Amino acid sequence: DSGVTQTPKHLITATGQRVTLRCSPRSGDLSVYWYQQSLDQGLQFLIQYYNGEERAKGNILERFSAQQFPDLHSELNLSSLELGDSALYFCASSLDRAANTIYFGEGSWLTVV
Amino acid sequence: GENVEQHPSTLSVQEGDSAVIKCTYSDSASNYFPWYKQELGKRPQLIIDIRSNVGEKKDQRIAVTLNKTAKHFSLHITETQPEDSAVYFCAAMKYSSASKIIFGSGTRLSIRP
Repeated sequence: DSGVTQTPKHLITATGQRVTLRCSPRSGDLSVYWYQQSLDQGLQFLIQYYNGEERAKGNILERFSAQQFPDLHSELNLSSLELGDSALYFCASSLDRAANTIYFGEGSWLTVV
Repeated sequence: GENVEQHPSTLSVQEGDSAVIKCTYSDSASNYFPWYKQELGKRPQLIIDIRSNVGEKKDQRIAVTLNKTAKHFSLHITETQPEDSAVYFCAAMKYSSASKIIFGSGTRLSIRP
């Protein structure tokens, strides 16, 4: 158990819909990262937050947004869903914004039908 | 921006033999290089990491080497076992105010009995 908690574990939704994925980082970790992993693909970096502020942005679509709340949990919002958005979404956390180990959650499986 | 290339994409070795996976990075300011192992449907887990102030690090059957001049680093697994079968990801990161971990595209390692 990495200490990073993600909900829901599985989600099936229709095209055009909107979903929210939730992540609680390890106790004491200030940075949260979101990654997308499509079937048999690599880990695509989406976005990073540090202590409530956006710190780095990757290839995140405009239909996607995220935030980190004062209690440090984070949410990834995916809207106007398309079939190609079906993927495993990982949240990871690290102690701070520096080059430290990041720990992944179990992921949220999103299936868009 | 930062780019990490990983080779090979697939690797099959006989049980007991060694496996080597190589990565190159583009940003010479990168100073932290973790390796993650991901079993099918599970979260990536850190197996070993190295910082730019050392050239080699070993942990039992796993070792990582770093060549800062050439900007490449490698994962070495000796005496491979069936449980080593997984996808391995390398990553490169640098300390900055907007740090983000960029992962390689992954190597699917299969251990033949």
